[in-house]
Amino acid sequence: AQSVTQLDSQVPVFEEAPVELRCNYSSSVSVYLFWYVQYPNQGLQLLLKYLSGSTLVKGINGFEAEFNKSQTSFHLRKPSVHISDTAEYFCAVSGSARQLTFGSGTQLTVLP
Amino acid sequence: DGGITQSPKYLFRKEGQNVTLSCEQNLNHDAMYWYRQDPGQGLRLIYYSQIVNDFQKGDIAEGYSVSREKKESFPLTVTSAQKNPTAFYLCASSPVTLAGGSTDTQYFGPGTRLTVL
Repeated sequence: AQSVTQLDSQVPVFEEAPVELRCNYSSSVSVYLFWYVQYPNQGLQLLLKYLSGSTLVKGINGFEAEFNKSQTSFHLRKPSVHISDTAEYFCAVSGSARQLTFGSGTQLTVLP
Repeated sequence: DGGITQSPKYLFRKEGQNVTLSCEQNLNHDAMYWYRQDPGQGLRLIYYSQIVNDFQKGDIAEGYSVSREKKESFPLTVTSAQKNPTAFYLCASSPVTLAGGSTDTQYFGPGTRLTVL
């Protein structure tokens, strides 16, 4: 079985400040990792994914994430956020079960 | 313009009525999925289908039913047996699975918000 923990349910941050959204996972097999973003009343949009290779993954909108196997983490970072980054962010893991398991989400609110 | 469409965007039904949510994709993806989203609980898998005429229960299948008669379509029926059907429902699809049985990137539709009165 696999699981995902997003440690912060809400993260407020001022515009142009850096942000890190934390994600830890557990799995007994090799995993693939994803970050999705959801704007209000919309579907999910893929930000980035880790399948193999370099542990630092760059995605859309200036976001990046680092896969750390020893700490079973996949934290999402952005060096300078904008008001338009306000949204809910979901971390997800895919193992051998042919399914995605999602975390409970982190609401990022960027303040002016 | 490829993508996933869900209709309607908002749906209201009386308690005790069955209701069917539509999901169509023109991405030529083999796999399709239905999720339920409630505030603070993330996404929970209801049903998924890897090929036409085959589907499997997810974590919260009770009170729901699906069919997969065509590759492009994966409708979800919320039956009167579902005790708390008011939620945001998301459909997704993905291309061939990766080696080892893992799923590749899932692409999501815009969602249907169902409210049972």
